[in-house]
Parts: sequence; C-alpha cells; structure tokens
Amino acid sequence: AQKITQTQPGMFVQEKEAVTLDCTYDTSDQSYGLFWYKQPSSGEMIFLIYQGSYDEQNATEGRYSLNFQKARKSANLVISASQLGDSAMYFCAMRERSQGGKLIFGQGTELSVKP
Amino acid sequence: DARVTQTPRHKVTEMGQEVTMRCQPILGHNTVFWYRQTMMQGLELLAYFRNRAPLDDSGMPKDRFSAEMPDATLATLKIQPSEPRDSAVYFCASGLRDTSGANVLTFGAGSRLTVL
Repeated sequence: AQKITQTQPGMFVQEKEAVTLDCTYDTSDQSYGLFWYKQPSSGEMIFLIYQGSYDEQNATEGRYSLNFQKARKSANLVISASQLGDSAMYFCAMRERSQGGKLIFGQGTELSVKP
Repeated sequence: DARVTQTPRHKVTEMGQEVTMRCQPILGHNTVFWYRQTMMQGLELLAYFRNRAPLDDSGMPKDRFSAEMPDATLATLKIQPSEPRDSAVYFCASGLRDTSGANVLTFGAGSRLTVL
C-alpha cells in the first residue's frame, strides 16, 4: 500500500486565488511528521512546511498552511494568493518514528498558476 | 546560506562504467539521505545515514550500488557497473535529527546521470 498518496497529478489555479493540494497518508505510528516540499522546473527541492503528529495547531508558514486532519489521515497544503512563481511540483512526505527517520515521498502534484 | 553540495551536477557515461557521486552535507547535520528521482518512480529513497553509520539501504540495488560516508563532510554513492536504467537525478539531503523530531532535510541541487 502507498504510504503517501497525492491524487492530483496536475492542478491549475488562477493567479491570486487559493489552491489546496491533497495528501493522504497511511501509518500505524502515533508519532510521525508530515512535510511538504516544492520542486520548481530548475530541479531543486525546497522545504515549505512541517506538521508533527502531536501538534494541535495547523502549521503555517507565510502563504502556506497545512490542513491537518489526523482522523482522516490527511495533510493538505493550502497556498493562499497564488503567484506565478508557485508553478512547480509539490511533494508531500512523511517520517514515521518506527521507521527510524526515513522520509518517504508521494508522487507529487504539478501546480500551474495562470496569469 | 548553508547548503548541501553535490558533484558532479551532470554526468554522461557509457553502460558498464563506474560512476561516483559525491555529497558534502551541511556542517553539523547528522543525517544524510540519498534519493533517486525518475519520471516513472518519483523520489525513491536509496540509503540513509545517521552519524555516518548506514541505517537503511533497503532501497538500493545491492549488486551494483554502494553508499558510504568516509567522514562527516563527505558521502558517496557509487554505481558499478552502470546501466541505462540508472539514468536519473540523484539527490543528496542532510538534516539534523534532534529531540524536536522535525529533522527538516536540506537537499542538494542533484546529480543528473545519463547512462548510454
């Protein structure tokens, strides 16, 4: 079974609008962490946001927020006020305590921001 | 800004040749990861080190791949012999595993390997 599932291979959003990128995960650990990374066309992997499984509040970093629904095992990334520079691949990733620190990635969602 | 340095950035080689990719992790980081990225498979974890000790290399084809950390400033990934199916972008990432649990990984720019 896939540990991390990103069901949207590609998404479009109009500039200045908000967009939600979906991520669901599968774990039996109580302690785990969820991450989002951005990969622009230049290829580098850029860390965006982190949510720990015990964190009560949803994580936020500037225009990025993580909609963490533990019971549903979802960790969706919300980007507010999209900019053209947000066009990129976005990867959701998970680290489980029982797996000794391995970070496992989903297949990614390609976001295109339209002017 | 502290960064993870990978060399070479691009490598074209012929099938059967040995390929060595190098990574300099961020000073003070105690975990190092090697990932391979292809269109078909996405980002696959190949190997993972903590405090220079290999913790997990289950994602790595053992017959031809090897990963080592000769010292805290250098991690290497070697393919011998290389095959066309090894063509991919190889990323090194480093992080600091501490009590917070986050251990955010910083990625290098990647090494793009083409095996003809």
